[in-house]
Amino acid sequence: DTAVSQTPKYLVTQMGNDKSIKCEQNLGHDTMYWYKQDSKKFLKIMFSYNNKELIINETVPNRFSPKSPDKAHLNLHINSLELGDSAVYFCASSQVVNTEAFFGQGTRLTVV
Amino acid sequence: KQEVTQIPAALSVPEGENLVLNCSFTDSAIYNLQWFRQDPGKGLTSLLLIQSSQREQTSGRLNASLDKSSGRSTLYIAASQPGDSATYLCAASGGSYIPTFGRGTSLIVHP
Repeated sequence: DTAVSQTPKYLVTQMGNDKSIKCEQNLGHDTMYWYKQDSKKFLKIMFSYNNKELIINETVPNRFSPKSPDKAHLNLHINSLELGDSAVYFCASSQVVNTEAFFGQGTRLTVV
Repeated sequence: KQEVTQIPAALSVPEGENLVLNCSFTDSAIYNLQWFRQDPGKGLTSLLLIQSSQREQTSGRLNASLDKSSGRSTLYIAASQPGDSATYLCAASGGSYIPTFGRGTSLIVHP
């Protein structure tokens, strides 16, 4: 069983479109994250959700909105996509303190 | 704000060498430090997690150490193999519990 799963794995879309990436974890973790990995492979935190509540938003444009229907899911919605949004987006989860973070396989988003 | 630095950025070695990858962090008030491996086009695989109260962790040919007072962690890879070729990332989790990543060390082990 995959611990953290993301769909889709690849997403190609045109500028201006709205898209969503889904993430689910079956580990019973309380905290989920979204990271963006840029072209230089640097992973930057975008959002963190603890028990369905947003606990941090690292200056991400408000075109990005995380939605957590329950603590096992954290979906990422992106409105009005721009070329600069092209990147690999990773979902992850952990228990809050002193436990391993587990990552999904990533979603490669290409905006054309 | 936590900042994590990894040195070297890239490393190319012949098979069989013992390697040390370095990770430093600016805020020593961390809860844990985690080492990951990322293969090209793939996700992150957790290698080792060191709690703030621990000094080291070992898994097979990998050994990670943690020195909170100096803000450093090292990943030691013994008897490197071509299959070890990947990018190695360290992430420090501090007060916000959110893992903050370094930019990684890209490792190539050639036969």
